[in-house]
Amino acid sequence: NAGVTQTPKFQVLKTGQSMTLQCAQDMNHNSMYWYRQDPGMGLRLIYYSASEGTTDKGEVPNGYNVSRLNKREFSLRLESAAPSQTSVYFCASSSSGDSGGYTFGSGTRLTVV
Amino acid sequence: GQQLNQSPQSMFIQEGEDVSMNCTSSSIFNTWLWYKQDPGEGPVLLIALYKAGELTSNGRLTAQFGITRKDSFLNISASIPSDVGIYFCAGQRKLVFGKGTKLTVNP
Repeated sequence: NAGVTQTPKFQVLKTGQSMTLQCAQDMNHNSMYWYRQDPGMGLRLIYYSASEGTTDKGEVPNGYNVSRLNKREFSLRLESAAPSQTSVYFCASSSSGDSGGYTFGSGTRLTVV
Repeated sequence: GQQLNQSPQSMFIQEGEDVSMNCTSSSIFNTWLWYKQDPGEGPVLLIALYKAGELTSNGRLTAQFGITRKDSFLNISASIPSDVGIYFCAGQRKLVFGKGTKLTVNP
């Protein structure tokens, strides 16, 4: 019973490099989300996907792109990483966007040098 | 955008003490959620509240949905060392999170 699986768990990038954070859920949830967590800032929504085939910007979308590959997978891409994107990234999913809680992955710790 | 103000930002307590934290917003939410995050892990849902005035317990945890629908409270009774972590409130929709309350419990 994996829930939400994120890969990788840790990553170090040089400024300007690109990478994709992967997220998959096995709970047949419709909605998926990407958050970033910075000290003293709580969790801030980057992008979300209310259902397969749709994506929308959250609070802090600049510098990121997402792809809802299928119902299970929602990836987050950094095209040209910047030190300001050093953070812990969490993927989450929910059965319906507006009711109940979300299930979170264990996070990806990204450092951009 | 919607803002959640969570307080206190951090707490240092002795084992056995009761803990209270709260969350306020300028916006009305239909659902309030409380999460706990252990080091190196993602947040885990503790309690969900769906109606104004609702009081819900989960073991030693009790949370209330404020009457105005703009606030919520979480209480932890008789704290133990494993209560250590960061507690987040969240308001629905597309969860807006507070900035967290970091709890440290001294044995």
